[in-house]
Amino acid sequence: DIQMTQSPSSLSASVGDRVTITCRARQSISNELNWYQQKPGEAPKLLIYATSTLQSGVPSRFSGSGSGTDFTLTISSLQPEDFATYYCQQGYSIPPTFGQGTRLEIK
Amino acid sequence: EVRLVESGGGLVQPGGSLRLSCEASGFTFSSYSMNWVRQAPGKGLEWILYISTSGTTIYYADSVKGRFTFSRDNAKNSLYLQMNSLRDEDTAVYYCARDLFEFTRAPLQNGVDVWGQGTSVTVSS
Repeated sequence: DIQMTQSPSSLSASVGDRVTITCRARQSISNELNWYQQKPGEAPKLLIYATSTLQSGVPSRFSGSGSGTDFTLTISSLQPEDFATYYCQQGYSIPPTFGQGTRLEIK
Repeated sequence: EVRLVESGGGLVQPGGSLRLSCEASGFTFSSYSMNWVRQAPGKGLEWILYISTSGTTIYYADSVKGRFTFSRDNAKNSLYLQMNSLRDEDTAVYYCARDLFEFTRAPLQNGVDVWGQGTSVTVSS
């Protein structure tokens, strides 16, 4: 199984801040990396697929980059509704695996 | 409206069985591969099952292999998850989820874009 490691595990930030979350794969996964947002009590929501393609309806302040083993999710200007937990997930090999999550909290 | 609705969760004793269902609506169900993803209390996400559009290809996570059975009925727009020999560590919210693109051949290759609301399974004596 390909282990996915996110950093940081938690992060405090303020509205308007630029935030970057990192996801590292134990081996190369090409560009098959997806990002989700999950709010308490809700199902996850797909934000970005194939490293950098924004899912329909997702605000443009979200962006993704990377390749191989290192990937980032960037939120250019945090909004109140962005405080949530974020997960990366590799789709390169079976089983698909998720990072442990990054909890984004209000400072 | 595109929608997935799970049902069948509940409290079960270790070693017991439970059957979850997921009913789809608002899209051509037979064109999409489907998955189950679970989340233990306070923990992260774990993919456990994938089924292809026709139901002929199924992938299982090692954690459930040999205990869980996954099937679909395209005529009824439904998925079924038969869970046997349940363990404490199977306690989780179970989500059914649709692969992003039609006719995928591998689970979550481009992620899943439609999720159910989740159904809670508690394994406890």
